[in-house]
Amino acid sequence: GAVVSQHPSRVICKSGTSVKIECRSLDFQATTMFWYRQFPKQSLMLMATSNEGSKATYEQGVEKDKFLINHASLTLSTLTVTSAHPEDSSFYICSASSTSGRFGEQYFGPGTRLTVT
Amino acid sequence: LAKTTQPISMDSYEGQEVNITCSHNNIATNDYITWYQQFPSQGPRFIIQGYKTKVTNEVASLFIPADRKSSTLSLPRVSLSDTAVYYCLVGVPPSGAGSYQLTFGKGTKLSVIP
Repeated sequence: GAVVSQHPSRVICKSGTSVKIECRSLDFQATTMFWYRQFPKQSLMLMATSNEGSKATYEQGVEKDKFLINHASLTLSTLTVTSAHPEDSSFYICSASSTSGRFGEQYFGPGTRLTVT
Repeated sequence: LAKTTQPISMDSYEGQEVNITCSHNNIATNDYITWYQQFPSQGPRFIIQGYKTKVTNEVASLFIPADRKSSTLSLPRVSLSDTAVYYCLVGVPPSGAGSYQLTFGKGTKLSVIP
């Protein structure tokens, strides 16, 4: 089946630094990838939609200058959390749709646990 | 997107059948119903999708009544490893192969008891 990987799985960084999270579709091409954030005991919140070769579309309330998204190829999207602060600590999850997948089926990565100290 | 309502939590003993019902009163004609499963500290996993009547796969069954205002995910003979959060989502599939946004509700936390 379709596999999506994320790297790193866990990262701890100091306040004010930037962190990059990679999302890769390993065995399929993904024209669109999505980035979610999930706080403890809460549901997934969509942050942005990333389309290969174009600018990402951000959800209301998500700062595009703080959460930089790049989708340079059909298998890779990156999320960079710039000038991270403790309130950015969360579980970040990406997902991708296969161009030949079933309607509505998205494949999710394993997530990245970000802790900002 | 149609809003969904699910029970916050459910408990079940191992070996029992579990039915989780989701209400989606404002479902649109073109909307499909999709269920995802999420284990702690993992990304969600697709379980099943349907439009009407009944859909069955190797993992679960999905029952959708004629008015489509609700749906029931049925997990046969649950085991401890089925302890997870189950999300019901309603939305429009793409006109061709591709993708569309998923809006996750609060989900149902299923706890399977030995």
